[in-house]
Amino acid sequence: SQTIHQWPATLVQPVGSPLSLECTVEGTSNPNLYWYRQAAGRGLQLLFYSVGIGQISSEVPQNLSASRPQDRQFILSSKKLLLSDSGFYLCAWSSAGVVGEQFFGPGTRLTVL
Amino acid sequence: QKEVEQDPGPLSVPEGAIVSLNCTYSNSAFQYFMWYRQYSRKGPELLMYTYSSGNKEDGRFTAQVDKSSKYISLFIRDSQPSDSATYLCATAGGKLIFGQGTELSVKP
Repeated sequence: SQTIHQWPATLVQPVGSPLSLECTVEGTSNPNLYWYRQAAGRGLQLLFYSVGIGQISSEVPQNLSASRPQDRQFILSSKKLLLSDSGFYLCAWSSAGVVGEQFFGPGTRLTVL
Repeated sequence: QKEVEQDPGPLSVPEGAIVSLNCTYSNSAFQYFMWYRQYSRKGPELLMYTYSSGNKEDGRFTAQVDKSSKYISLFIRDSQPSDSATYLCATAGGKLIFGQGTELSVKP
């Protein structure tokens, strides 16, 4: 069966510090991978998606970036965090060619102070 | 106009009640419709997945899509305290587009 992992689970960072969130998927090959952000009381905002190694599409221009160095690894980064980057970050995967059925990881709660 | 609109609630019902959760969407080209359930401080989990119009039933849950009115619904029969969560509707064009989520509380 497929499993998706995210770490860390929680993170408190000062403004201006760098960020690296990691997501890995097990039990599937060549998945589509997604990064979402969920602000308190808000829906999910798609940040990045990837259909293959090194292929990243950005949905929202901001100070975040994403990379996919391996087939089942997706990383979200920032060089300098802003207060507005606080939120709940979710990684998700879907089978290649499928958009609707996405499966989410446990999330990382980021607080920028 | 948002592509998917959902009343954020909160919605509070007694145990055993029938719950109706609703969303509207704007793009008539959307064909795939999903409901996700999200417990507090957890990632969303896919609850129901439907294609085009019609009903789909899974246990106590029924998803309904009315493409003529661009309206999607989730019904929960015999609601339980364990159903207390935020329910997110979503539709898929080239990407998943989520509603804001409705927070549901089922009181024992």
